[in-house]
Amino acid sequence: AQSVAQPEDQVNVAEGNPLTVKCTYSVSGNPYLFWYVQYPNRGLQFLLKYITGDNLVKGSYGFEAEFNKSQTSFHLKKPSALVSDSALYFCAHLAYNNNDMRFGAGTRLTVKP
Amino acid sequence: KAGVTQTPRYLIKTRGQQVTLSCSPISGHRSVSWYQQTPGQGLQFLFEYFSETQRNKGNFPGRFSGRQFSNSRSEMNVSTLELGDSALYLCASTRGSGTGELFFGEGSRLTVL
Repeated sequence: AQSVAQPEDQVNVAEGNPLTVKCTYSVSGNPYLFWYVQYPNRGLQFLLKYITGDNLVKGSYGFEAEFNKSQTSFHLKKPSALVSDSALYFCAHLAYNNNDMRFGAGTRLTVKP
Repeated sequence: KAGVTQTPRYLIKTRGQQVTLSCSPISGHRSVSWYQQTPGQGLQFLFEYFSETQRNKGNFPGRFSGRQFSNSRSEMNVSTLELGDSALYLCASTRGSGTGELFFGEGSRLTVL
């Protein structure tokens, strides 16, 4: 079955340090991959997407992600974490032309001052 | 531009009752998707509607149903509520092209007693 996986339930980083939230995919063909963020009691917000082209994708709030075909990964990164980045992060893939977005289990990021 | 609006935001029902949730998509968006979010199961896809037609359906029992109106507004209904239906129900809209990001509402939190 086509899916994305987030191997870490929780990631803790200190403010100012770089952060990485991991995602691997198992999708045939060319994957359409996304990252979303969810703040407490809110809906999800789009951060960035990879459809095709440059493997390094830049998104909102200083986040970026690198598509790595050989490792089937799409890790989310930020050079310097902020306390306000603390939230639940979801990796997702989209079945093309289906608008069927499937999400990973989510990773809770905590940035400590 | 108004975002995705979901009503009601919070509701409490008892087992056996039924509930209807409403979603108004962003103007111009023709695709509406519904997701159930629970701590144990994460984000699970319910169904997606495009131009009043159900285009995709997740793995949920027939108690879960939905519809979309000609103005793209959507409703979902859950009949014969069970305790396990307690969840945050999220609606998302998109233009429908299949490569764009989803825009989520803030959700309807259903508690079943």
